Amino acid sequence: GDSVTQMEGPVTLSEEACLTINCTYTATGYPSLFWYVQYPGEGLQLLLKATKADDKGSNKGFEATYRKETTSFHLEKGSVQVSDSAVYFCALRLNTGANSKLTFGKGITLSVRP
Amino acid sequence: DSGVTQTPKHLITATGQRVTLRCSPRSGDLSVYWYQQSLDQGLQFLIQYYNGEERAKGNILERFSAQQFPDLHSELNLSSLELGDSALYFCASSVGQAANSPLHFGNGTRLTVT
Repeated sequence: GDSVTQMEGPVTLSEEACLTINCTYTATGYPSLFWYVQYPGEGLQLLLKATKADDKGSNKGFEATYRKETTSFHLEKGSVQVSDSAVYFCALRLNTGANSKLTFGKGITLSVRP
Repeated sequence: DSGVTQTPKHLITATGQRVTLRCSPRSGDLSVYWYQQSLDQGLQFLIQYYNGEERAKGNILERFSAQQFPDLHSELNLSSLELGDSALYFCASSVGQAANSPLHFGNGTRLTVT
């Protein structure tokens, strides 16, 4: 079945450090890929998306590139801030008519120290 | 603000009881999705509705049921509650079922079964 695998966490970084969160996927079709972020006590917010191979999604300094050849969608940020502390979820969505749900990875907790 | 409204925010009830969780999707969104988030299972897809019709089922227990009403709001009914049903329940909506259209999530209902 379709699945998303995220690197194991949690991740703790100092402010201004570089961030990479790995995400790979398995899909029977051609998915769209998403990163969602969940701040403490809140729901999931869309961070960025990419809908076809080589597309780069970006938002709030975060970027991720849809790599079809490696089935990956790694999240990167050049300089993290304390306010980036949250749980990050990679997800895929297929357009197969009856099955259009988002399939999520397990999520990874990021803590950024001042 | 995602535009998706979930009520109540918190629910505390006893084993064996029945509860109803309510979701109002974003204006114009026809699809509603329900997810369960627990520490050990991550984000699990429960069920999807599109314009009042059930479209897909995930890991939804037989004790759980849902429906989408003509005004597009949705309710998730959980009955014969067990301790293990304690979790955060999210509703999400999207305009349609195309893969490139993101889901927008509410802030969730935290259910505690004692």
